[in-house]
Amino acid sequence: EVQLVESGGGLVKPGGSLRLSCAASGFVFSTTSMSWVRQAPGKGLEWVSSISNYRSIYADSLKGRFSVSRDTAKSSLYLQMDSLRAEDTAVYYCATDNSGWSRNNWGQGTLVIVSS
Amino acid sequence: QSALTQPASVSGSPGQSITISCTGTSSDVGNYNSVSWYQQYPGKAPKLLIYEVSNRPSGVSSRFSGSKSGNTASLTISGLQAEDEANYYCSSYRNSDTLVFGGGTKLTVL
Repeated sequence: EVQLVESGGGLVKPGGSLRLSCAASGFVFSTTSMSWVRQAPGKGLEWVSSISNYRSIYADSLKGRFSVSRDTAKSSLYLQMDSLRAEDTAVYYCATDNSGWSRNNWGQGTLVIVSS
Repeated sequence: QSALTQPASVSGSPGQSITISCTGTSSDVGNYNSVSWYQQYPGKAPKLLIYEVSNRPSGVSSRFSGSKSGNTASLTISGLQAEDEANYYCSSYRNSDTLVFGGGTKLTVL
């Protein structure tokens, strides 16, 4: 059974940093592309970033502030978030990438609140 | 980046069929067969219903079907059930390695 467990969310002040983690199990992590998708309170889904074994891509609005990485040995996905703003407040989901740019397995999400 | 356009809400009675539209442009929906649909209950993670316009993952009910015409994709739910009441999101690949989502549609089962 595929399991994705996010952690690292919490309350952070504007301008601060946070590192999210996603522990993966139940599938071959080393050959699976992964993504981060976020959802602001009461709002829709927003793609953040995706990473494969050969490249990382980001939503244009987040380039330069967010950085995605992975540790195959630990079957873990990470999202380093810097210069955080109030509008980054959201539940952050990690997900596995499937055919046609779909995301077929999702974690339960971790809440990030950016507030002074 | 502007989201794909979905109706804010749709409704239907049990047993009926409903269709949710997802309108994009020639830079996304119109030019790529990378349209997906997700179901999300409040406070829960999204669940993939449809990928590549009309393909259903294993385990997804055949009551859910997808299609596309021009710049508009559609999700049809037939034989509506109370448990279908949820939020639905479309997504599409967009030029230059971007994934864009629709704003979401709240389905109410009357």
